[in-house]
Amino acid sequence: SQQGEEDPQALSIQEGENATMNCSYKTSINNLQWYRQNSGRGLVHLILIRSNEREKHSGRLRVTLDTSKKSSSLLITASRAADTASYFCATRSNMLTFGGGTRLMVKP
Amino acid sequence: NAGVTQTPKFQVLKTGQSMTLQCAQDMNHNSMYWYRQDPGMGLRLIYYSASEGTTDKGEVPNGYNVSRLNKREFSLRLESAAPSQTSVYFCASSEAAGSNQPQHFGDGTRLSIL
Repeated sequence: SQQGEEDPQALSIQEGENATMNCSYKTSINNLQWYRQNSGRGLVHLILIRSNEREKHSGRLRVTLDTSKKSSSLLITASRAADTASYFCATRSNMLTFGGGTRLMVKP
Repeated sequence: NAGVTQTPKFQVLKTGQSMTLQCAQDMNHNSMYWYRQDPGMGLRLIYYSASEGTTDKGEVPNGYNVSRLNKREFSLRLESAAPSQTSVYFCASSEAAGSNQPQHFGDGTRLSIL
């Protein structure tokens, strides 16, 4: 069963634009993590936000968490072609549970 | 800087055949995991090993067995492969099975069962 559900499933933007991906989940969590997967590769950890945090930044990434709405968003600012990948949220309660992902395409 | 290494990268099997997927990590991590990824879906946990000498079932363990050979290596075995097990299999590791530990992934084994 997928705990997290990403929205949209696919997103296509121009280089330089911002990309926003959303994640909703169903049960209480300890933390929420975002991962990136390039085509044909494994997942790479991007950022972790704890349940008592509301916002976190890492370089061009900004993650927010709203536990009352059971939702999170990942914002990538000033996107680059190299950001083209699938992005997954993963929620942590007993174990790490992944959503179905957002496929992001950044056109040069 | 190998990280998590999976072998083989690709494999085609016939229904009923058996095989073992290998995984090794060089980060001295305590915990290791096996996931499968199917089209349009996120990763689903098959088995995990919180520490050397222990293994536990994940969300979809049926049809699989695992062995934590030592701290570095964690293998996944399909005893009698079925077409429903066609998938991409990922191995991951983390420092511990604790809540705030990110997982590090290998590049996957693409398995087709005819």
